Amino acid sequence: EIVMTQSPATLSVSPGERATLSCRASESVTDELAWYQQKPGQAPRLLIYGASTRATGIPARFSGSGSGTDFTLTISSLQSEDFAVYYCQQYNTWPPDLTFGGGTKVEI
Amino acid sequence: QLQLQESGPGLVKPSETLSLTCSVSGDSISSSNYYWGWIRQPPGKGLEWIGSIYYNGITYYNPSLKSRVTISVDTSKNQFSLKLSSVTAADTAVYYCARLGRGSAAMRSWLDPWGQGTLVTVSS
Repeated sequence: EIVMTQSPATLSVSPGERATLSCRASESVTDELAWYQQKPGQAPRLLIYGASTRATGIPARFSGSGSGTDFTLTISSLQSEDFAVYYCQQYNTWPPDLTFGGGTKVEI
Repeated sequence: QLQLQESGPGLVKPSETLSLTCSVSGDSISSSNYYWGWIRQPPGKGLEWIGSIYYNGITYYNPSLKSRVTISVDTSKNQFSLKLSSVTAADTAVYYCARLGRGSAAMRSWLDPWGQGTLVTVSS
């Protein structure tokens, strides 16, 4: 199983600031990595797939980068609606064994 | 617009079988080229993939749950279902269904969209 480790567990930022979230895989997943946003009481929402491709309707302030084992989600200027928990997920393994990171909570 | 909706009992007794159904609208399970999956999230914790299915019945399961999980599909009802046997309190979670986002019959993919989720509590 590929273990996904996210850091930090909690990120305290102010509106308008830049947020940088990290995700590390225990072995290479090439670029087969996705990012999700989850707000309380809601289902996760896809933000990024293929490590850097924004999903439909996702604002340009969200960007993803990285390949191999180290990945970053950047929110360029935090809006009030961006305070949430963010998860990374790899989909590289065969046979399929999708695994998620433990999440990063972005709070004020 | 594709929508997924989970349904099933919200309370299951220990050692019994948890059964949930995901109803799909806005797309046909049998004619689309996607896999469909189940994911769960214990209260206050992270996400865990349970398994995925294709319209023809091909399945892939999380190795840690494989011995207890069965996912099936009913194309006539445009639904797919989850059964998890011998449940314990550790299986208490919000259960989500989702479509695997990469078409071309890709069984390894991101997940998009997701259903709203349903809380299943295991308790006597």
